[in-house]
Amino acid sequence: DAGVTQSPTHLIKTRGQQVTLRCSPKSGHDTVSWYQQALGQGPQFIFQYYEEEERQRGNFPDRFSGHQFPNYSSELNVNALLLGDSALYLCASSLAMAGQGETQYFGPGTRLLVL
Amino acid sequence: LAKTTQPISMDSYEGQEVNITCSHNNIATNDYITWYQQFPSQGPRFIIQGYKTKVTNEVASLFIPADRKSSTLSLPRVSLSDTAVYYCLVGDGIKAAGNKLTFGGGTRVLVKP
Repeated sequence: DAGVTQSPTHLIKTRGQQVTLRCSPKSGHDTVSWYQQALGQGPQFIFQYYEEEERQRGNFPDRFSGHQFPNYSSELNVNALLLGDSALYLCASSLAMAGQGETQYFGPGTRLLVL
Repeated sequence: LAKTTQPISMDSYEGQEVNITCSHNNIATNDYITWYQQFPSQGPRFIIQGYKTKVTNEVASLFIPADRKSSTLSLPRVSLSDTAVYYCLVGDGIKAAGNKLTFGGGTRVLVKP
């Protein structure tokens, strides 16, 4: 049973460029959430996708956008990259109708460096 | 989600028991308490979740007093590989899977030989 997978593992971009990160959820999960984790800090919620729609959004600008596909996989897009966008980007999957005690499961992350 | 407060860091030695206490004074009736472990450059890993009293799994135990305003994660007989950051989160466990998770700064645990 595959867990959450993300690609690529590492990425280097320059300011102003655009980037797309990909996530495949754990088998059986239908909800994908994205988090940004700066060095030395806890993960910060970006947004969540369920049924191919953005359901919740954190305090991130419109430069951050996403998409969920019919197979529940998801993409995170960041436009007009800034130096401050350098971080570990984490994808977490879950089951929207999960029962008691269920929670989100994280992938290994994509390390983005903006130069 | 209720705000949590936990120590910034803790040191321990191999074979010892590590206890990390998290304060969550404004926990709501429906809130569950969840702990994650994170190694450098990896995603957080779910450790344990509980609502009241004591929960134990193969990795850790979670102690929750009757007033539920705090909780203690207990890691028995730690090894060097338990060196990580541990996050305490509080939220509606039933809906946590569908809600955003709010992480604080976590507790950096260093296990020494």
